Amino acid sequence: QSVLTQPPSASGTPGQRVTISCSGSRSNIGNNYVYWYQQLPGTAPKLLIYRNNQRPSGVPDRFSGSKSGTSASLAISGLRSEDEADYYCAAWDDSLSGPIFGGGTKLTVL
Amino acid sequence: EVQLLDSGGGLVQPGGSLRLSCAASGFTFSSYAMSWVRQAPGKGLEWVSGISGSGGSTYYADSVKGRFTISRDNSKNTVYLQMNSLRAEDTAVYYCAKAEYSSFFRSAFDIWGQGTMVTVSS
Repeated sequence: QSVLTQPPSASGTPGQRVTISCSGSRSNIGNNYVYWYQQLPGTAPKLLIYRNNQRPSGVPDRFSGSKSGTSASLAISGLRSEDEADYYCAAWDDSLSGPIFGGGTKLTVL
Repeated sequence: EVQLLDSGGGLVQPGGSLRLSCAASGFTFSSYAMSWVRQAPGKGLEWVSGISGSGGSTYYADSVKGRFTISRDNSKNTVYLQMNSLRAEDTAVYYCAKAEYSSFFRSAFDIWGQGTMVTVSS
C-alpha cells in the first residue's frame, strides 16, 4: 500500500479536461515538492511536473500541477489519445528520508 | 542528447547475486545524484537506492538495506547496483534515474533509463 494515495483509474473523452488527485501527509506532500511522472505503455517513466507546478521543457501546457496542504492534483486539458498512460505522483518523505510514489492512476481516453 | 542506458538484468535463483549498470551520456555525470527505481510486474514504482554526485553518500529503501549496494565510477560515467541475497519479491524492471541536483535529497528524477528486467526464480 502506497504512502501517497491516487485513484487507480481515470477516464475522459478527447478534448475533455481530467484531473488526477494525490493525497499524502505532512511528512511528504505537506512539507515538500510534488512531482508527476507519465509512463506510456511499455516505456520508462518521464518527468511531467516538478516542484508542484513546473513543466520541463517539451511538456505541453495542457498538463498542469497544483498543491494544497497535503494533497496535489494533475490536470490534463484538451485530452488526446496519446495521453493514455499511467500517471504517478511522488514526493520526498521526511519520516522515511527518501522519495515515495503514489500507486499510479491509469488514464483511459475513451 | 542526455541518455541513460541500463544493463545487467537477467534470471537468477533465489539467494543469488546480480550487478546492474547504468551508462550515462550527454551531461556532466559527477554533478548529479543518481538513483535506482524498480517496478514489479503490473505494479507501481518503488525507489530502491540513491547516491550523491561525488559518490560519498548512499541511501537505501528498507526493503533492500543490507542486501543491495549502490556505487558509481565518475571516470566511466556509470552507476551500479550490486544486488545480493536476491528474493522472489525483488523481481522487477529496474530503472536508473538522474536527479536534478548533485544532492540526492528532495530531487526530481528528470531522466530515466530504459530499464532492465531482473527475474528471481528457481
